[in-house]
Amino acid sequence: DTGVSQDPRHKITKRGQNVTFRCDPISEHNRLYWYRQTLGQGPEFLTYFQNEAQLEKSRLLSDRFSAERPKGSFSTLEIQRTEQGDSAMYLCASSSTMTSGGGETQYFGPGTRLLVL
Amino acid sequence: DAKTTQPTSMDCAEGRAANLPCNHSTISGNEYVYWYRQIHSQGPQYIIHGLKNNETNEMASLIITEDRKSSTLILPHATLRDTAVYYCIVRGFYGGSQGNLIFGKGTKLSVKP
Repeated sequence: DTGVSQDPRHKITKRGQNVTFRCDPISEHNRLYWYRQTLGQGPEFLTYFQNEAQLEKSRLLSDRFSAERPKGSFSTLEIQRTEQGDSAMYLCASSSTMTSGGGETQYFGPGTRLLVL
Repeated sequence: DAKTTQPTSMDCAEGRAANLPCNHSTISGNEYVYWYRQIHSQGPQYIIHGLKNNETNEMASLIITEDRKSSTLILPHATLRDTAVYYCIVRGFYGGSQGNLIFGKGTKLSVKP
């Protein structure tokens, strides 16, 4: 079990450019979540997938943001026409709805830190 | 908004037990209490969760009051590496829209030598 991985770990871009982040969940986890964390705040939910279906989006996910999980395994989060306000840590988490014992525990990756200049 | 209230910060001496409180007076019957921590610049790390019984694992113990309105996370022998922000989160069982984690500001625990 290698845990949740995210790539890249750091990204610096200029305002107006597009960026794409990738998340590889724990193997066989059917749920995948994206969160955003700005400095001094706790993570905030953006969206989540169950298998390949995107089941919920937060109001934080503007039209410039799109997320996919085409084969129910890895996921990508794209931000188009980046703005300085998009600067944040983007976190991915995965979970399984098929574990016993109650609750559905999300395991987080290390995050991708985005800086928009 | 987060459904929990935690102290902003706490200090603990290295080697002593760290007891982190959390109030969740509006918790409902099917909601779990989860604890995560976040060490600077890393992703949140799962610690433990419980419904109504006390729980223990290799990292910590979770004590939930009988009325479930508050809980305490116990790190039995704190080390410098336990310095982090600790988040107490109340979350529904069924996941999805009831299950995405809602983080508050957490408690900044500083373990001092």
